[in-house]
Amino acid sequence: DAGVIQSPRHEVTEMGQEVTLRCKPISGHDYLFWYRQTMMRGLELLIYFNNNVPIDDSGMPEDRFSAKMPNASFSTLKIQPSEPRDSAVYFCASSWGARRVSTDTQYFGPGTRLTVL
Amino acid sequence: AQSVTQLDSQVPVFEEAPVELRCNYSSSVSVYLFWYVQYPNQGLQLLLKYLSGSTLVKGINGFEAEFNKSQTSFHLRKPSVHISDTAEYFCAVTEGDDKIIFGKGTRLHILP
Repeated sequence: DAGVIQSPRHEVTEMGQEVTLRCKPISGHDYLFWYRQTMMRGLELLIYFNNNVPIDDSGMPEDRFSAKMPNASFSTLKIQPSEPRDSAVYFCASSWGARRVSTDTQYFGPGTRLTVL
Repeated sequence: AQSVTQLDSQVPVFEEAPVELRCNYSSSVSVYLFWYVQYPNQGLQLLLKYLSGSTLVKGINGFEAEFNKSQTSFHLRKPSVHISDTAEYFCAVTEGDDKIIFGKGTRLHILP
């Protein structure tokens, strides 16, 4: 199994530009999560999907952030327009969903390090 | 609502010495508890989790944790650390069908 795949691994962009982060979950997993990690705030859950449907987006910081999951094998997190305070490492994770989202192990991708100048 | 506190942001330990990473949680109902590890430049991976049953949980790489309901703690321990244990360790909690909440993390530094 290739694990959770994220692209790009690094992204440097200028303020105001649109940024799209991509994630391919582990095949067969029903849940997909997007997290943001910063030194100041630690690891924050932004949004999660179950069977491609967004379940909880209460962690999305503002309207500049949007996430989609058009099919079971692909998800995007978009920031438009980007700002320097969006600089962080963004992780995608997936889980089996056989029992409950609260008890299943989450498998994390390697992350995308975003720098907004 | 649940929350989790990791009392130490950094813990230095000599190689082959024992280590304990502390985690306390707050919740009004039954909880599920996790420890994840993040090696440099990688994503998180599960070390161990407590769902029910025995309060002593054994995980990968020789780590174990003990669920203490009266003290609302879930401390992580290893009797002898190795240089390869250098990483950041995250305690996490969920309850019911709710989403997982991560602590701020503890950086483990192994000293030669």
